[in-house]
Amino acid sequence: GAGVSQSPSNKVTEKGKDVELRCDPISGHTALYWYRQRLGQGLEFLIYFQGNSAPDKSGLPSDRFSAERTGESVSTLTIQRTQQEDSAVYLCASSTGTLRRNEQFFGPGTRLTVL
Amino acid sequence: GNSVTQMEGPVTLSEEAFLTINCTYTATGYPSLFWYVQYPGEGLQLLLKATKADDKGSNKGFEATYRKETTSFHLEKGSVQVSDSAVYFCALGILSGGYNKLIFGAGTRLAVHP
Repeated sequence: GAGVSQSPSNKVTEKGKDVELRCDPISGHTALYWYRQRLGQGLEFLIYFQGNSAPDKSGLPSDRFSAERTGESVSTLTIQRTQQEDSAVYLCASSTGTLRRNEQFFGPGTRLTVL
Repeated sequence: GNSVTQMEGPVTLSEEAFLTINCTYTATGYPSLFWYVQYPGEGLQLLLKATKADDKGSNKGFEATYRKETTSFHLEKGSVQVSDSAVYFCALGILSGGYNKLIFGAGTRLAVHP
């Protein structure tokens, strides 16, 4: 596709339920990133993929959060037993590689609301 | 540690006014610096970047200069337009484990009225 896409665009769930958020990166981009943006705050890094591997998971806030990537393409971020503090916009970005000057291209985000 | 501090918004200006959004950073090593913009209802887009000290990034009339001595990367535009209304994020790029890890400021909302 032309850009990074994410689905769903909005997700409302009840506390304690599991949710899956999907990211489709730009075709051919080997690097993929997940971020979280809480209301009125900047982006918090969650996880980085190079290919299907995740060399940096340091931003995942707890073991309720996990992510995978398959086929060096689609990635899924899963949040188990959601809590109200998980409410945020979850952003995905992709880039061509790991060189320091490579631009990250962002998707429109998934707005997650946990009731 | 590595962090970015940018001025709190919202910043409200009249069309054609001069814009400055302050950004300062704390970093180990030699970071790259970025400004991203988020227009209403859209994803983040890279606005400009600078990869070493004294570099000036520019795009769409916006400029920012990488000042190592003051650890700053302030965003400026000489004459803003209503279409510049958006949230602006300053970010630091640090090489970490072989990749460019971005650390973002909290964002500054800009509202330009006619």
